[in-house]
Amino acid sequence: AQKVTQAQTEISVVEKEDVTLDCVYETRDTTYYLFWYKQPPSGELVFLIRRNSFDEQNEISGRYSWNFQKSTSSFNFTITASQVVDSAVYFCALSEAEYGGATNKLIFGTGTLLAVQP
Amino acid sequence: GAVVSQHPSRVICKSGTSVKIECRSLDFQATTMFWYRQFPKKSLMLMATSNEGSKATYEQGVEKDKFLINHASLTLSTLTVTSAHPEDSSFYICSARTDRGREQYFGPGTRLTVT
Repeated sequence: AQKVTQAQTEISVVEKEDVTLDCVYETRDTTYYLFWYKQPPSGELVFLIRRNSFDEQNEISGRYSWNFQKSTSSFNFTITASQVVDSAVYFCALSEAEYGGATNKLIFGTGTLLAVQP
Repeated sequence: GAVVSQHPSRVICKSGTSVKIECRSLDFQATTMFWYRQFPKKSLMLMATSNEGSKATYEQGVEKDKFLINHASLTLSTLTVTSAHPEDSSFYICSARTDRGREQYFGPGTRLTVT
């Protein structure tokens, strides 16, 4: 069965601090996708990244970076120099890959509430 | 990027009535749409997978007679909550993807309150 674990329920940091959000997943599939979404108080999900299981390269996008390690089934997300606008709930999600590479239903973790204090 | 809309964004209804929520893909053909439910301060849980022109596939524990899903066109899926009760109050979010799409596009969500 597929499962995503985000052990950190809430994290509070002061602005400009770096923060890492942990994500551990379980799947028996050899081909799958991992995602990170941001959910601000408005509720709308904001897509941050999708990673294919065959691509273990770390990725950096501005202040955001992701560390994907299949050996530990982890897909951690780091925000560098956090800002107040980063305050939100962050979800990690997993999807098996269908024939042809399409994503299937997303299995979400329980989310991490990040509060960045000024 | 692709846009998915939901209507209404908020709805308040009385217990026992039915509510219809629309999910539309505005600039692409969505062969598959997913409906999720999110209770306050909780995660998103998949309710059902909807493929255009066929019956929806419901997740275990989701009552298909209570949550009616219709995906009659490549740009529209509807979720009807029948005989709503206060425990159905939740945030309902849809996502859509093209055939063989690697990307799922989420709608902005619909907040349902049943009084």
